[in-house]
Amino acid sequence: AQSVTQLDSQVPVFEEAPVELRCNYSSSVSVYLFWYVQYPNQGLQLLLKYLSGSTLVKGINGFEAEFNKSQTSFHLRKPSVHISDTAEYFCAVSDFGSSNTGKLIFGQGTTLQVKP
Amino acid sequence: GAGVSQSPSNKVTEKGKDVELRCDPISGHTALYWYRQSLGQGLEFLIYFQGNSAPDKSGLPSDRFSAERTGGSVSTLTIQRTQQEDSAVYLCASSRQTDTQYFGPGTRLTVL
Repeated sequence: AQSVTQLDSQVPVFEEAPVELRCNYSSSVSVYLFWYVQYPNQGLQLLLKYLSGSTLVKGINGFEAEFNKSQTSFHLRKPSVHISDTAEYFCAVSDFGSSNTGKLIFGQGTTLQVKP
Repeated sequence: GAGVSQSPSNKVTEKGKDVELRCDPISGHTALYWYRQSLGQGLEFLIYFQGNSAPDKSGLPSDRFSAERTGGSVSTLTIQRTQQEDSAVYLCASSRQTDTQYFGPGTRLTVL
C-alpha cells in the first residue's frame, strides 16, 4: 500500500529565510505527486505537482519541489519565506498507477510557522 | 471561473441524527472525490465518482456513510445516525481526469 511521510510536523523559520519541507513516499508503481497548502479555515490549494518530465517542478508563490525517484522523495523548497506563507502544507501521492482512480494519499501535514 | 463549492460550510447536529453534505464540482470535471479531515486521522479518502462508472467506495468508514452523484454533477454525502467520531471537516474535490484535484472549502461537521 502506498504511504506518505512528512518528516516534520512543525517547521519554525524566520521571515526571508529559506525553508525545506520534507516528504517521502512509498510506492511500487508510477506515481503522481502533489503539494497542497491549507490556510486556516480554508480548503486545500494546489501549490505544485509532478506528473512526468522534469524532476524539478515550480509552483505558485515561489515554491518548487524536486522529485527524486531513487530516494522516493518530493521535498518542497522556497528560497525566502514571507509571513503570509504561514500555513499547513500537505504532500500527497496519487494511486493512479495502481488503481486508476487517482485518489490521493496524504501525509500528516507540516505546519510552517514564519516568524518576523 | 467558479471553483468547487460545498454547503453548508458548518453543520452542528445531535448524535443520532442524519446529515447531508453537498458538493458542486467544477463544470466539466468528470471525477469527484470526498475526503475527511480530522485531528486524529488526518486527511482520508472516502469515495470517488467517475462519469457513469460504479463509484469506488473503499474509503467509507462504515455503512452509515453513503454518497450519490446525480447527473454526473452534484454530489451528496449522507451520514446516518451520526456519532461524535464523525466530527470532522468533509472536503470535496473534482478533476478533469484523474490527475489534478481541486478542492472545495469544506463542510465542518460537529456532532454533539
